Formats: sequence, structure tokens, C-alpha cells
Amino acid sequence: DSGVTQTPKHLITATGQRVTLRCSPRSGDLSVYWYQQSLDQGLQFLIQYYNGEERAKGNILERFSAQQFPDLHSELNLSSLELGDSALYFCASSVGTSRREQYFGPGTRLTVT
Amino acid sequence: AQKVTQAQTEISVVEKEDVTLDCVYETRDTTYYLFWYKQPPSGELVFLIRRNSFDEQNEISGRYSWNFQKSTSSFNFTITASQVVDSAVYFCALNGGGGADGLTFGKGTHLIIQP
Repeated sequence: DSGVTQTPKHLITATGQRVTLRCSPRSGDLSVYWYQQSLDQGLQFLIQYYNGEERAKGNILERFSAQQFPDLHSELNLSSLELGDSALYFCASSVGTSRREQYFGPGTRLTVT
Repeated sequence: AQKVTQAQTEISVVEKEDVTLDCVYETRDTTYYLFWYKQPPSGELVFLIRRNSFDEQNEISGRYSWNFQKSTSSFNFTITASQVVDSAVYFCALNGGGGADGLTFGKGTHLIIQP
């Protein structure tokens, strides 16, 4: 158990809908990262937050957004969902910046039908 | 741009054999960090090791060992006396020295250990 929690574990929704994925980092970790894992693209970095502020962006679509709250938990919002958004979404956390090892949560499996 | 290549898509060996997973990386950063993660069938990503670009010493942890060679931009992972529980997808990843970027992952190597 990495100490990173993600909810829900599974999510099934229809095209065009909006969903929110939630992540709680390990105790003491200030950085939260979001990654997408799909068969086509592999594991891709989406976005990083550090202590409430956006720190870095990767291959995140404009339809996707995230935020980190004062208690350091983070939410990833996915809107106008398409079939191609079906994937495993991971949250990871680290103590500081990404020079340190990142610990991953169990992931949220999103299926868009 | 950074890139991580894991040329071996799938490796299958019989239990107790030694196996090496290859990882080659590309980066323009002079300071960078390399990682290996394990993804067992249950799906979670498990951190195995972090190595910085200034430390070329090989590392051994039980049956696991890592060989970092800056001259060939490689960071290979060897499992000695493999066990069925080692069956998983293994990912090599790279983080640049900028400090603010996420990890760049390779496509992964699916390791199958047959009893």
C-alpha cells in the first residue's frame, strides 16, 4: 500500500458526460501528479500540483482540468468525454518536486461508452 | 525532448532463470533521474528504484540489481533467480533536472515467469 488513495476505483459513463476523479496524497507529500495509462499512448503525464499551485503541464487536453485543495487532496475533472478517454488514471504524490520518487495510487478505471 | 525506450515488449523465462530488462534513455539535461516501476496484474504501480545521473554505481537489492551506464544512456534491470511473483509489467522512467516535470515512461516490458 503506497499511502495514496484514489476514488472511485471504477467509473462507467457515457460520451459527452463529465466526471471527477479524486486523489489523496501520502501524508506529508506536497506534490500531486496525474497520469493517464491507455493501450495506445502508454503512461502519460498530465499535470502536477505543488502545495495548491499548478506546477507543470504535460499532455493534458483542454477538456481536462485539475486542482489541489488546501488539505492537499486533488481532483481531476474530465469533461465532454469521448470514447478515447477510456483509460486508467493514476494519481501519484511525492515529498517535493519530481526529483524525488513518486508513489502511485491504485488508479481509477474510466470506461466511456 | 526526453525519451525512454524499452525495446523488449515481452520476455518469457522459466522460474529460477536470470533475466535482464533493457532501458535506453535520451535527454539533453545534464542532471536527471531514472526510475523503475513494477505493475503487477493487480494494476498498481510500485516504485522500485531511483538513480540520479551523478551516481553511476550499480545497485543491488536482494534478487534485483540495476546497471546504470551513462556512456550508453542505459539503465538496465536484472532479476536473479526469477520467481513467479516477479511476473509483471516493468516500466523505466526518466525525469529531467528542471524539477517540475512529470515522469517520462517507456512502453514497458511484460515479464512472464513460467513455473
